[in-house]
Amino acid sequence: GQQVMQIPQYQHVQEGEDFTTYCNSSTTLSNIQWYKQRPGGHPVFLIQLVKSGEVKKQKRLTFQFGEAKKNSSLHITATQTTDVGTYFCAEGENDYKLSFGAGTTVTVRA
Amino acid sequence: DGGITQSPKYLFRKEGQNVTLSCEQNLNHDAMYWYRQDPGQGLRLIYYSQIVNDFQKGDIAEGYSVSREKKESFPLTVTSAQKNPTAFYLCASSLPTSSLPGANVLTFGAGSRLTVL
Repeated sequence: GQQVMQIPQYQHVQEGEDFTTYCNSSTTLSNIQWYKQRPGGHPVFLIQLVKSGEVKKQKRLTFQFGEAKKNSSLHITATQTTDVGTYFCAEGENDYKLSFGAGTTVTVRA
Repeated sequence: DGGITQSPKYLFRKEGQNVTLSCEQNLNHDAMYWYRQDPGQGLRLIYYSQIVNDFQKGDIAEGYSVSREKKESFPLTVTSAQKNPTAFYLCASSLPTSSLPGANVLTFGAGSRLTVL
């Protein structure tokens, strides 16, 4: 199936700073989903992007789908300790099969 | 409250033993999934089921088996043929597909952590 690559694998952030994590594919994506997994927890759905160039915001989180639908990004502003966790992007190969990236694990320095 | 219940949360197994992980959902979702999570490798799809009495292999089905006799239940058996079974196993479900994209948004259970001794 299609594969999505996430970079960076680890992101160490000072509390209050901004950062961006990326999800890239060599092929055109039908849609992209983002999930967050807190340490010791399970993935929780955050957002889905479908349209080329789509931008969606959830408070301090901004999600973007590239114009060519081959990449996506998650930008977090004013990072807080509650942002700690692993963020996964997932590509919907078909209506049932999601392929997940390896994730970006975020740690926050207070 | 609707959700997905996985049991047991922790499981220890001796080599050569089969174990079955339970997954029950009361969300009335048609589709159910099993993923395996290893450190640094994201989530890999083991099996998925679109409807009762039907299921398909995912990317890493070897050494695993499933059944889907009821809409609410999708148990996973880790057989002795699975060479490296120690992992975190996640069950998920999703709404039926539709003509709209995004019908496959997943709701996950809390997971089962299997350790082979």
